[in-house]
Amino acid sequence: GENVEQHPSTLSVQEGDSAVIKCTYSDSASNYFPWYKQELGKRPQLIIDIRSNVGEKKDQRIAVTLNKTAKHFSLHITETQPEDSAVYFCAAKYPGGYQKVTFGTGTKLQVIP
Amino acid sequence: DTGVSQNPRHKITKRGQNVTFRCDPISEHNRLYWYRQTLGQGPEFLTYFQNEAQLEKSRLLSDRFSAERPKGSFSTLEIQRTEQGDSAMYLCASKAGATNEKLFFGSGTQLSVL
Repeated sequence: GENVEQHPSTLSVQEGDSAVIKCTYSDSASNYFPWYKQELGKRPQLIIDIRSNVGEKKDQRIAVTLNKTAKHFSLHITETQPEDSAVYFCAAKYPGGYQKVTFGTGTKLQVIP
Repeated sequence: DTGVSQNPRHKITKRGQNVTFRCDPISEHNRLYWYRQTLGQGPEFLTYFQNEAQLEKSRLLSDRFSAERPKGSFSTLEIQRTEQGDSAMYLCASKAGATNEKLFFGSGTQLSVL
């Protein structure tokens, strides 16, 4: 099955700086890579996703890049704000089986005002 | 319908007792997933329903766990003879179909087994 590794586990940045979270996946057949944000005590919510036929996707201050050859993908947050503080999970979906999504272990991002 | 609803939000039980959780997905979503999340970890897949059919179960799901989705709408997850290791957040998620990838999560049921 798919295995997703995520680094770092914690990340502290000053407000206004950029934050980068990196993930690797094991199965080269995986074709969909979402990122979820989970604020303390709340449900995970999708913030951005990318399919394997695209190398980069951007949505305002958030961007995701995908390197299929190396089997890694990254989340980039620019001009960080205190409300960006949360746990971020990357995930990968293998197209076989019933399309379950495998999550990474999460990165706790703290934006220091 | 404003989203995926889970009940109860919190459940405290004694070891050996049975517990049941309920998930009401977004009404037009025919795909429903159960995940388990422990502190500091990402959600781990437990089981998947397409309409009323349970199509996949994780090896994490021991025979003490059972899930149903009798009419293809709400789902229940039952844990029999609970153990302390079952303490976790149990998350339900739903999505609209095979081509729509976005998972909508509920707020979860936090289970504490004493």
